[in-house]
Amino acid sequence: AQSVTQLGSHVSVSEGALVLLRCNYSSSVPPYLFWYVQYPNQGLQLLLKYTTGATLVKGINGFEAEFKKSETSFHLTKPSAHMSDAAEYFCAVRRTDSWGKLQFGAGTQVVVTP
Amino acid sequence: EAQVTQNPRYLITVTGKKLTVTCSQNMNHEYMSWYRQDPGLGLRQIYYSMNVEVTDKGDVPEGYKVSRKEKRNFPLILESPSPNQTSLYFCASSLLGTSGNNEQFFGPGTRLTVL
Repeated sequence: AQSVTQLGSHVSVSEGALVLLRCNYSSSVPPYLFWYVQYPNQGLQLLLKYTTGATLVKGINGFEAEFKKSETSFHLTKPSAHMSDAAEYFCAVRRTDSWGKLQFGAGTQVVVTP
Repeated sequence: EAQVTQNPRYLITVTGKKLTVTCSQNMNHEYMSWYRQDPGLGLRQIYYSMNVEVTDKGDVPEGYKVSRKEKRNFPLILESPSPNQTSLYFCASSLLGTSGNNEQFFGPGTRLTVL
């Protein structure tokens, strides 16, 4: 069975500070990994995705994520938070042997304070 | 404009009254999927479709039906809605390609309340 765990349902960061959102997956085989962002009253949009062979993945809006197979993690970071980063962030995994199913973490709400 | 559209965007209904939420995409995507979003639970997959006439269950299919008669449309049917199906529903689509890491494009969501 596969699951996705996001540590922390709410994160508060100061403008200009580091943003770190944690995601761990449980799977015997490294799955396809994604981070999505949801702005208030909107659908989800892709921030970045893991591509085999590249452990550090760069996405939109200055976000990046590091894949660590040994830790089964795919944590999302941004060096300097901006007010516009306030949103909910979801980690998602898709099994490599069953592309149809996509599982999301519970989400992390990011609040950015001036 | 490439997009996924859902209708209606908001719906209040009563227990047991059949309803359909439509989803349409104009990107010629093979893959389409339905999710429900509930606080503290993230998004959970209801059903997905790999192509026309090919559908399969996600993690929470009970109480829902889908059909995929055309490539662009993937309606979600609640034959006898119950209050525990009150939720925010999202439709998504993507290309299938040769790997499973294609981006999914999401619709704007349908907020359903079942009284």
